[in-house]
Amino acid sequence: NAGVTQTPKFQVLKTGQSMTLQCAQDMNHNSMYWYRQDPGMGLRLIYYSASEGTTDKGEVPNGYNVSRLNKREFSLRLESAAPSQTSVYFCASSTTAGRVDEQFFGPGTRLTVL
Amino acid sequence: QQPVQSPQAVILREGEDAVINCSSSKALYSVHWYRQKHGEAPVFLMILLKGGEQKGHDKISASFNEKKQQSSLYLTASQLSYSGTYFCGTEMPPGKLIFGQGTTLQVKP
Repeated sequence: NAGVTQTPKFQVLKTGQSMTLQCAQDMNHNSMYWYRQDPGMGLRLIYYSASEGTTDKGEVPNGYNVSRLNKREFSLRLESAAPSQTSVYFCASSTTAGRVDEQFFGPGTRLTVL
Repeated sequence: QQPVQSPQAVILREGEDAVINCSSSKALYSVHWYRQKHGEAPVFLMILLKGGEQKGHDKISASFNEKKQQSSLYLTASQLSYSGTYFCGTEMPPGKLIFGQGTTLQVKP
């Protein structure tokens, strides 16, 4: 099992460009999450999907959109990237629908916006 | 609302003990603890649920005071491998996990 995979691993964007971060899990988990981590700031929840077909805003959703494509995949889109979105982005999944069980994290995507 | 962790940083010698605290102003469904090493993804340590149920690694212990909405993580006889940043996460409402700002632990030989 690969667990949680994220693509790309690294990305450099110019201000105003758009991109989609991909996340997939092969553990048949129901819940999926997107976090961003800035230096010294901890993990901040952007969006989450408590079950297939649902998505909800987290702490810092502005500037982002998400799609729960199917049970395996949860993508994060930046429509018009800004330097403030420079961060490390982690995707995570958890087995239980509607509740948070042990979360399994992907390796992260390191995004720089110039 | 983000939970508050204390202390922000701890430096220990091998074999010493440490306690990391996490508090929230909201009534919680559960408290979660994770450890992250530099440049890596966070790794699960423990979940503490309302009613006293716990799930996690045998060598890690923690408590959850439901009335005070506080949790503590106990690291005993610390080893070099315990070094990293510890995050508590609070679940409220169900399905939504918000993490604290982290506590950096450094264990020295």
